[in-house]
Amino acid sequence: DVKVTQSSRYLVKRTGEKVFLECVQDMDHENMFWYRQDPGLGLRLIYFSYDVKMKEKGDIPEGYSVSREKKERFSLILESASTNQTSMYLCASNWDRGDNEQFFGPGTRLTVL
Amino acid sequence: AQTVTQSQPEMSVQEAETVTLSCTYDTSESDYYLFWYKQPPSRQMILVIRQEAYKQQNATENRFSVNFQKAAKSFSLKISDSQLGDAAMYFCAYRWNRDDKIIFGKGTRLHILP
Repeated sequence: DVKVTQSSRYLVKRTGEKVFLECVQDMDHENMFWYRQDPGLGLRLIYFSYDVKMKEKGDIPEGYSVSREKKERFSLILESASTNQTSMYLCASNWDRGDNEQFFGPGTRLTVL
Repeated sequence: AQTVTQSQPEMSVQEAETVTLSCTYDTSESDYYLFWYKQPPSRQMILVIRQEAYKQQNATENRFSVNFQKAAKSFSLKISDSQLGDAAMYFCAYRWNRDDKIIFGKGTRLHILP
């Protein structure tokens, strides 16, 4: 089975802190994605990566950056966390072929105080 | 730009009954995929069913089936014999065949009444 794991289920940080959210997949997927999920807004794409060291902005990249140094790992970075970044963050991955079903991690609930 | 619209933020259905979740989308493309994803309270999102736009036959997975109306750009999900474990947030999603990104609707929260 495909497995996508995220480093934390719950995270509490203070305004201005640098925050790292880690995502690891074990299926050699080319593509990896970071979304944030907010009530009434659904899933919004922050960034995605289609290969190591390659990245592309999604719909809401402001305030975020990403890193993909290895194929299996995709990190989301909040350089200076703000309260409006309190949200559920979902990581996903898939192959770069076929119907491109995305496989999701369990999510990280981030609270910024 | 492609969009996906789910007009029902919440729905309820009696256990063992049938429920239909609505989804419409907007695209000028002809080659694409449509998906329904389920997110139970534990938060792990999983794929329920998928439909390839070039296939006229509606997809079916056990108690889950879709009504795909390409001309109307409609993609509804029917859940038969609803079970308590079907309670979840359901997301409709679209992907153009030449794009890696999936566009999600805002979701429909489904409650199952015992």
